[in-house]
Amino acid sequence: SQQGEEDPQALSIQEGENATMNCSYKTSINNLQWYRQNSGRGLVHLILIRSNEREKHSGRLRVTLDTSKKSSSLLITASRAADTASYFCATDPNYGGSQGNLIFGKGTKLSVKP
Amino acid sequence: DTGVSQNPRHKITKRGQNVTFRCDPISEHNRLYWYRQTLGQGPEFLTYFQNEAQLEKSRLLSDRFSAERPKGSFSTLEIQRTEQGDSAMYLCASSLVPGMNTGELFFGEGSRLTVL
Repeated sequence: SQQGEEDPQALSIQEGENATMNCSYKTSINNLQWYRQNSGRGLVHLILIRSNEREKHSGRLRVTLDTSKKSSSLLITASRAADTASYFCATDPNYGGSQGNLIFGKGTKLSVKP
Repeated sequence: DTGVSQNPRHKITKRGQNVTFRCDPISEHNRLYWYRQTLGQGPEFLTYFQNEAQLEKSRLLSDRFSAERPKGSFSTLEIQRTEQGDSAMYLCASSLVPGMNTGELFFGEGSRLTVL
């Protein structure tokens, strides 16, 4: 089963604009991760935020986590055409420890037009 | 290249045939995962190994599916008597044993299965 639900399912923006994707989940977590997938390729890890963190930055990426609302957001600033991809949130559920078995959402398909 | 390697990248087979996929993880990683991804969906967990031990299997993994990781190195995923519903991308990932602030998975490029 898939725990995370990304919103929106698809997002189309112009180069230079910011892109915001949201993720909601259901259970208590150890951490939440965001991955990127180019069409027909494998997933690439972008950023991990722990359950006791509220915000994290990496380059043009900013991730927030609200454990009270069981939600996270990924912001990509100053988007580029090369950012065109699907973005997935993945949670590491807290079943009394980390099993490492990530549960992925359905993804947001981002299209950045030059 | 020391990334996760999957073979074959594409497999087309007829319904009822058996297929086998191979995954070579990053050499120092002791965790190995198999996921399945259908079009427009996120990856769904199938099973994972820690070294050679298979620690968890999803209910998605019917008795037609079997995974092995002999000697804790490469892994194989075999699907017997394939059905059209098995058509999907099969993704392998590896990692170190995860902790609270670790657990990044490194994915291969996937093996795409088409069952005619």
